[in-house]
Amino acid sequence: GQNIDQPTEMTATEGAIVQINCTYQTSGFNGLFWYQQHAGEAPTFLSYNVLDGLEEKGRFSSFLSRSKGYSYLLLKELQMKDSASYLCAVRTSGNTPLVFGKGTRLSVIA
Amino acid sequence: GAVVSQHPSRVICKSGTSVKIECRSLDFQATTMFWYRQFPKQSLMLMATSNEGSKATYEQGVEKDKFLINHASLTLSTLTVTSAHPEDSSFYICRLEDSYNEQFFGPGTRLTVL
Repeated sequence: GQNIDQPTEMTATEGAIVQINCTYQTSGFNGLFWYQQHAGEAPTFLSYNVLDGLEEKGRFSSFLSRSKGYSYLLLKELQMKDSASYLCAVRTSGNTPLVFGKGTRLSVIA
Repeated sequence: GAVVSQHPSRVICKSGTSVKIECRSLDFQATTMFWYRQFPKQSLMLMATSNEGSKATYEQGVEKDKFLINHASLTLSTLTVTSAHPEDSSFYICRLEDSYNEQFFGPGTRLTVL
């Protein structure tokens, strides 16, 4: 089966840095995606990793270690608008549908 | 700007009626579209993969006769919830993928069945 684990909830302070972890055990691996989803809205694409290492995009960075089945999303200089759910998703092969984790609800407090 | 549109964004219907949800690709041709369902505070659950010009592939546990999918063109896929019941109330989202592995979700359709 396919299994993707993320923490259910996290709280962080405005201006700080937060790291959201994702571990996966899947039958194959062909890329990992991170999405942001605000309540009542569709997910928004944040990042895509298929090779080991860090991908940086503004305040957001995503890291992948394929040997460990591990990824994290790093959010810097947190803003109140970053309060949302963050979804980790894995594609197991080719163009197969993504397998989504349950998401991490991040609350940014003043 | 948005590359995927969904219509309607919100629908309320009576139990037993059918509801059609459209997903349109605005900027590129999508040979494959994915339909998801999301219940409150739950993750996205894949319902089916919609392929242009052929029958959709449904995930285990999803009734193909209840959730009819038609992908008649490279820019349009429709999901019809037939004989809707209150337990079908959910957030329905389509997703498209371009040739660069970038993912685009539609804005979603909130279905409420009374």
